[in-house]
Amino acid sequence: AQKVTQAQTEISVVEKEDVTLDCVYETRDTTYYLFWYKQPPSGELVFLIRRNSFDEQNEISGRYSWNFQKSTSSFNFTITASQVVDSAVYFCALSEARNGNQFYFGTGTSLTVIP
Amino acid sequence: EAGVTQSPTHLIKTRGQQATLRCSPISGHTSVYWYQQALGLGLQFLLWYDEGEERNRGNFPPRFSGRQFPNYSSELNVNALELEDSALYLCASSLEGRGSSPLHFGNGTRLTVT
Repeated sequence: AQKVTQAQTEISVVEKEDVTLDCVYETRDTTYYLFWYKQPPSGELVFLIRRNSFDEQNEISGRYSWNFQKSTSSFNFTITASQVVDSAVYFCALSEARNGNQFYFGTGTSLTVIP
Repeated sequence: EAGVTQSPTHLIKTRGQQATLRCSPISGHTSVYWYQQALGLGLQFLLWYDEGEERNRGNFPPRFSGRQFPNYSSELNVNALELEDSALYLCASSLEGRGSSPLHFGNGTRLTVT
């Protein structure tokens, strides 16, 4: 079974629109960590954010915000007022405290922002 | 601070040959991870090295192997190359090999097998 599910394979939005990328995870651990990464066309995965399972506070960083809800096992990522430079593949990932060496990545969501 | 560096950037091999990919982690990071990203697919976990030892490997055949050196740099070797080994190989490092430490990725090596 998939530990991390990103149901949206591809999304296209027009510049300045808001867009939300969904991430649903599955774990039996009480201590775990969630991550988002951005992979632009150049190929390098860029670390965006980490949340631990004990901190459900939503986080905002500029135009980026993350909504962590344990009740629905979701860790969604919203980009406000999207820009062309946001075009990339975004990956959600999970690591579990009991198995700390293993990172589970979703299959990624390809976001295209149309000017 | 220098990030994770990988070499070469591109590598072209023919079927049956061997490929060697190299990775230098961020200074102070002791754990190195290798991932394969085939076209249109997500990241497939290959290998994890920490403190010079292989700690875990993904569901790949034994012809995928590697090692970590005393300076924590790492090498991925792929023997008897097959066409389906063509992919972007990503190396990542983390501070302590714990799940709480995020992975920091290099730019990858694009391996093409003809």
